[in-house]
Amino acid sequence: QKEVEQNSGPLSVPEGAIASLNCTYSDRGSQSFFWYRQYSGKSPELIMSIYSNGDKEDGRFTAQLNKASQYVSLLIRDSQPSDSATYLCAVNEAGTASKLTFGTGTRLQVTL
Amino acid sequence: GAVVSQHPSRVICKSGTSVKIECRSLDFQATTMFWYRQFPKQSLMLMATSNEGSKATYEQGVEKDKFLINHASLTLSTLTVTSAHPEDSSFYICSAVDRGQPQHFGDGTRLSIL
Repeated sequence: QKEVEQNSGPLSVPEGAIASLNCTYSDRGSQSFFWYRQYSGKSPELIMSIYSNGDKEDGRFTAQLNKASQYVSLLIRDSQPSDSATYLCAVNEAGTASKLTFGTGTRLQVTL
Repeated sequence: GAVVSQHPSRVICKSGTSVKIECRSLDFQATTMFWYRQFPKQSLMLMATSNEGSKATYEQGVEKDKFLINHASLTLSTLTVTSAHPEDSSFYICSAVDRGQPQHFGDGTRLSIL
């Protein structure tokens, strides 16, 4: 059973702070990792993808991957109220080109 | 780029009705499309994987005769919920992917069966 684990939250951070979202996965063969943002009642939106160990930065977002520890994280700098959403970690299933296993998501609340 | 259109966005219908949902990739050719279902406060549950010109692959526990999937072209996949009942009420979301690229999602279809 391939699993992707996330803390469901809610994670509450004040506006302007750094939000840190974490994810662990069980499939050692996974090669592709994604973070999706999902607002209430909407479909997921891709915000970051990462394929190799280390950090990948895109604007206020930084994804971090550690394959040895089977751990992927997302940092959001200068958090804004508009960042309040559920963040889904997704991991590709080894041996498939694009099939993903999703975590249950972490709900982030950015407070004023 | 990578725009996926899903239609309709909302359906309300009587029990026993069949409902068709369309998923289109607008600016790329989708080698694979996926159909998900999401119940309130739960994560996405993959229902089936659809490849153009071949039969869909259904996840365990998903009835293929109830959820008919047709992937007629590289830009269009349809999901038909046959003889829908109240327990089929959910948020149905498609995604499309070009080979080697991340999945991009449609806007979803909220299905309510009375």
